[in-house]
Amino acid sequence: SQTIHQWPATLVQPVGSPLSLECTVEGTSNPNLYWYRQAAGRGLQLLFYSVGIGQISSEVPQNLSASRPQDRQFILSSKKLLLSDSGFYLCAWSVGGRLGYTFGSGTRLTVV
Amino acid sequence: AQSVTQLDSHVSVSEGTPVLLRCNYSSSYSPSLFWYVQHPNKGLQLLLKYTSAATLVKGINGFEAEFKKSETSFHLTKPSAHMSDAAEYFCVVSGRANDMRFGAGTRLTVKP
Repeated sequence: SQTIHQWPATLVQPVGSPLSLECTVEGTSNPNLYWYRQAAGRGLQLLFYSVGIGQISSEVPQNLSASRPQDRQFILSSKKLLLSDSGFYLCAWSVGGRLGYTFGSGTRLTVV
Repeated sequence: AQSVTQLDSHVSVSEGTPVLLRCNYSSSYSPSLFWYVQHPNKGLQLLLKYTSAATLVKGINGFEAEFKKSETSFHLTKPSAHMSDAAEYFCVVSGRANDMRFGAGTRLTVKP
């Protein structure tokens, strides 16, 4: 069966520090991968999606970047965190949007 | 283009009474529609999905939703609310592989 792993679950980082969040998927090949952010009291905002290794599409300009070094690995990064980067980050995968997404358990990032 | 509107940001019900969470959609394509539930600091869990089969869709935990094309609606219902149903619920519309649109969410409160 397919599973998705996301870590860490919580993270507190100072302003200006780097960030690396990792997401891996098991049990499927060539998935579509997604990073979402959920700010307090707001809905989900699509940050990045990837349809294959090395293929990254950015939905909104921001302080973050994403990479997909392997088929089932998706990494969210920042060189210097801002206070506004705080939020709940969710990784998801799908084999087609019409079948829905499967979400990871999320990472709560607090930038202080 | 696709969009989804969740008509209520917050719904409060008493335990044992019916739940109705409203969702209207707009889609240029024949849509797939989903309801996800999110408990605090958790990832999103798929409750149910409509993908052009039966218009009345049954999901987990006693929830169901009815696709009404004439009303462009996909409301989520449950006959009797439990305390464990308290969470945030997201309606999602999808027409193509990377074009899933999330509603802003409805927070369900269940009073004892």
